[in-house]
Amino acid sequence: NAGVTQTPKFRVLKTGQSMTLLCAQDMNHEYMYWYRQDPGMGLRLIHYSVGEGTTAKGEVPDGYNVSRLKKQNFLLGLESAAPSQTSVYFCASFGQGATYNSPLHFGNGTRLTVT
Amino acid sequence: AQSVTQLGSHVSVSEGALVLLRCNYSSSVPPYLFWYVQYPNQGLQLLLKYTSAATLVKGINGFEAEFKKSETSFHLTKPSAHMSDAAEYFCAVSDSGGSNYKLTFGKGTLLTVNP
Repeated sequence: NAGVTQTPKFRVLKTGQSMTLLCAQDMNHEYMYWYRQDPGMGLRLIHYSVGEGTTAKGEVPDGYNVSRLKKQNFLLGLESAAPSQTSVYFCASFGQGATYNSPLHFGNGTRLTVT
Repeated sequence: AQSVTQLGSHVSVSEGALVLLRCNYSSSVPPYLFWYVQYPNQGLQLLLKYTSAATLVKGINGFEAEFKKSETSFHLTKPSAHMSDAAEYFCAVSDSGGSNYKLTFGKGTLLTVNP
């Protein structure tokens, strides 16, 4: 059971380039999330999805787009990367049938540097 | 919206000493609270969660947390620190507004354990 898998693990982009981060979960979870982690800032929610075909904005959505075409995948896109998007990105999912005190399952992160 | 504040971005203890990591929450409704741990270059793992069944919650690796409504606190403790406890710890509260379940994290506390 792989859980939550993020690809790639590392990426370096030049300002203005675009890229897509892939999150895949094999637990049949309804809810999926993208967070970014920056020193001293904790984890901040970028976008999330409450089911296939749905997406919603989180706390810091500007400069990012997402898609949830398949239940098991949640894609995070950067159309025109900026140095301020240098961060570690985490994907997480939430169990089907779980209650509000159920934990999130996290991937191991993608470290993105924008030069 | 719910929020959490972690007091102290860095806590340093000696091996064998008491670990106390502080978290205060802000919530207009009974909160669902969590502590997560992040080891270097990994995602977050659940340590424990408050379920309202008991105010003292026991988690993995000997950690526990006590929910105190009068103090709006959910501090994390461990009687005797071990070198392997060195990690970053995050307090989180769930925003259970309707079907849009999501977690809001504190900024994290980095725990250093000295030999």
